[in-house]
Amino acid sequence: KQEVTQIPAALSVPEGENLVLNCSFTDSAIYNLQWFRQDPGKGLTSLLLIQSSQREQTSGRLNASLDKSSGRSTLYIAASQPGDSATYLCAVASGNYGQNFVFGPGTRLSVLP
Amino acid sequence: NAGVMQNPRHLVRRRGQEARLRCSPMKGHSHVYWYRQLPEEGLKFMVYLQKENIIDESGMPKERFSAEFPKEGPSILRIQQVVRGDSAAYFCASSPTQTGELFFGEGSRLTVL
Repeated sequence: KQEVTQIPAALSVPEGENLVLNCSFTDSAIYNLQWFRQDPGKGLTSLLLIQSSQREQTSGRLNASLDKSSGRSTLYIAASQPGDSATYLCAVASGNYGQNFVFGPGTRLSVLP
Repeated sequence: NAGVMQNPRHLVRRRGQEARLRCSPMKGHSHVYWYRQLPEEGLKFMVYLQKENIIDESGMPKERFSAEFPKEGPSILRIQQVVRGDSAAYFCASSPTQTGELFFGEGSRLTVL
């Protein structure tokens, strides 16, 4: 059974700092991994999707890496801004057809002005 | 291109009543997923559907819960005889392919009195 953990559970940083969020999964047989952000009371916004054959993806100030063999992914946020404050979730697609997206518990990020 | 549309956004039911949650996927998406998020907990997979077919319902309680995605119209998550423990946010996501990027709706928040 796939299990996903995220470290740290919460993080508070001053504006402008670069930061790294970590995601670990127990079963390396995944189809892809996706990072999301969730604002309070809102749905999830997709940030980056990494296919199992890829090592990393970049979008603006965000960079996500994937190491399938070790069961890890990191989300790097450069030059953090107060608007980045949200909960960040990673999800891995596994199951017989890759249809079962298992979510981590999230990292709650606060970027202080 | 409208995003994933869920309604109602908020629903209040008394114990024993029925709750029906609707989800219209993004245009061109034929893969629909339902997730439940309990207060202060992570997202839990419930069911994965394609048009007219339930592909994986391993995360859905065996009793009182059902889901459908008819040929025409939105996907429906139905909860019969609701209990207080059903109070949660129910999120729908859609994808263009089986292991493609997930796009989420804003969620339906069910409160059972």
